[in-house]
Formats: sequence, structure tokens, C-alpha cells
Amino acid sequence: DQQVKQNSPSLSVQEGRISILNCDYTNSMFDYFLWYKKYPAEGPTFLISISSIKDKNEDGRFTVFLNKSAKHLSLHIVPSQPGDSAVYFCAASSDYNDMRFGAGTRLTVKP
Amino acid sequence: ETGVTQSPTHLIKTRGQQVTLRCSSQSGHNTVSWYQQALGQGPQFIFQYYREEENGRGNFPPRFSGLQFPNYSSELNVNALELDDSALYLCASSPGQGAGYTFGSGTRLTVV
Repeated sequence: DQQVKQNSPSLSVQEGRISILNCDYTNSMFDYFLWYKKYPAEGPTFLISISSIKDKNEDGRFTVFLNKSAKHLSLHIVPSQPGDSAVYFCAASSDYNDMRFGAGTRLTVKP
Repeated sequence: ETGVTQSPTHLIKTRGQQVTLRCSSQSGHNTVSWYQQALGQGPQFIFQYYREEENGRGNFPPRFSGLQFPNYSSELNVNALELDDSALYLCASSPGQGAGYTFGSGTRLTVV
């Protein structure tokens, strides 16, 4: 059961521009959403999260937007930097414990 | 303060064998979750342990089992290995329910 979907397997943007990564979910019980970043040969690293009581959370260059009615969230990175090149995973949970992950989007930021 | 450490980093096993993967949680973390990440997919939740008790389980058969020890390190055991068990196995620990998770670098298991 694919409860969290990232429909774009890859994204390429120019350095300095905005990167927008999208994620859709089907389970309306999810109330906590997270983005993880993964470099090759490393485990996922927590990036930013949002609870269902909010529609936006910002941390430096990273902003996550949540649209509960559409069951959609997005991660905006601005400005994008070459070091942001990685695989980004969206995850969701209903009790902070059982995280369901999307398949990931590989972001490439070109200098 | 060390992070989450997993061992071994790579492992090759034959179909039908059994395997044990190990995880040392970050200091102070009493909750550990295990995930399976197949090639091209996101991590899939296997199960979670909280203070040595299983606290949740994903859609994996009983031949996937685990243990958490008093020092909060843990093991993932897989019996009767199948070719489809080939994947990256990730361990993630947390200081408690509601807190963020720290992932290890994973164990790459290949079943031949």
C-alpha cells in the first residue's frame, strides 16, 4: 500500500533557483510529516517537519507547505545550492512512530 | 555523543539462510525502528521497539523478528532468507515517542 507518493523520481534545477519537491498522501490519519535527505552510502538525515495543525514551516532556505484538503505537501529550497544535490524522501506518520516513506526524488542542482 | 551505528555494513547470504543485523542506538535513545529499503524505493517500516518491547509492526512476515537490549541496542533477525530480502536495512533511533529519528548508514544485504 503506497500511502505516501513522490511522483517525480528526479528533478534538476540551476544553482540559485528554487527547487520544489512534491509529495502526496492518501491516509487522512497522518498528522505529522517529515522530509529527509539522503546522500549515497549514508542514512537519511532529518531536514524539516510539519504537524497537521500548521500549513507552513520554515527553516532557513527550507520551507515545507502542507495542504490537508488536497493531501499534499511540498518542500521548497531557495536558493538551491549544489550541496543540496541528494535524494529527498517525504515521510508521514499518525503517531510519530510508524513513518511511511515515499519513493524519493533525486534532486540535482547544477552550478 | 556517537550517532547510530549499524553492523555489518555489507553482507552476502545464501537463500534459506538466517541473518542477524545489529544496531547501536544514539546515546539516550530508548526507541528504535527498523526499515527495509529496496533499490529505487523509499524505506519500508518493519517494526519498532520501545524499552525492549515491540511497539508497532509493518507489513512484514514473522520470519522478520527483532530484539532490543537493556542498553537499547537492537537486532534484526531474518530467517529463511529469500532473494527479495536483498535490500538496505536501516536502523533509526529516537529519544522517545514524538521526537525525531536519527538513522544509521544501513546494512546492505545481498541474498544469492
